[in-house]
Amino acid sequence: QKEVEQNSGPLSVPEGAIASLNCTYSDRGSQSFFWYRQYSGKSPELIMFIYSNGDKEDGRFTAQLNKASQYVSLLIRDSQPSDSATYLCAVNESGGSNYKLTFGKGTLLTVNP
Amino acid sequence: DTAVSQTPKYLVTQMGNDKSIKCEQNLGHDTMYWYKQDSKKFLKIMFSYNNKELIINETVPNRFSPKSPDKAHLNLHINSLELGDSAVYFCASSRGGLREAFFGQGTRLTVV
Repeated sequence: QKEVEQNSGPLSVPEGAIASLNCTYSDRGSQSFFWYRQYSGKSPELIMFIYSNGDKEDGRFTAQLNKASQYVSLLIRDSQPSDSATYLCAVNESGGSNYKLTFGKGTLLTVNP
Repeated sequence: DTAVSQTPKYLVTQMGNDKSIKCEQNLGHDTMYWYKQDSKKFLKIMFSYNNKELIINETVPNRFSPKSPDKAHLNLHINSLELGDSAVYFCASSRGGLREAFFGQGTRLTVV
């Protein structure tokens, strides 16, 4: 069973701090990696995607991918109370199953004013 | 101009009934999905379709039958509803299987 693992949290950070969210995956052939944000009672919303090793920055968000370690992370700089949500890591499986986006169980982030 | 839209948003029904959820996307995507999110918020894939063809059927009971009349629509019919079917069902779409997926607003199904 191919898996995506995340710490369930909750992760609590003060406003203005850096929040670091981590994710590991079991399928070494995975090619696409995504971070989604889900507010309570709402649908998942795409935050970042990354396909290549290294860092990818978009505003206050930075995604980091290390395929050798099968590890992907999301950094949120200058965290705001509005960033409080569940963050879902998602990975496309490889081979014939690449129409299957597998999600981790999510990390609940709380940003305290 | 909702990109992925599902109806209904809420569905309350009795055990044993049959119900359908409809999904439409106007993004021009060729791949559509149904996901189930349980009470613990775990988002699990049920089905994926590419160009109206079923690609993934993730060991879902036969009571669940998806139908894709065209690339822009993917409906989900559920027969003989059970208490354990209560969950939020999300439709999503993407351009191909390796690209980011966009989600509908979800359908909260409650079976009583």
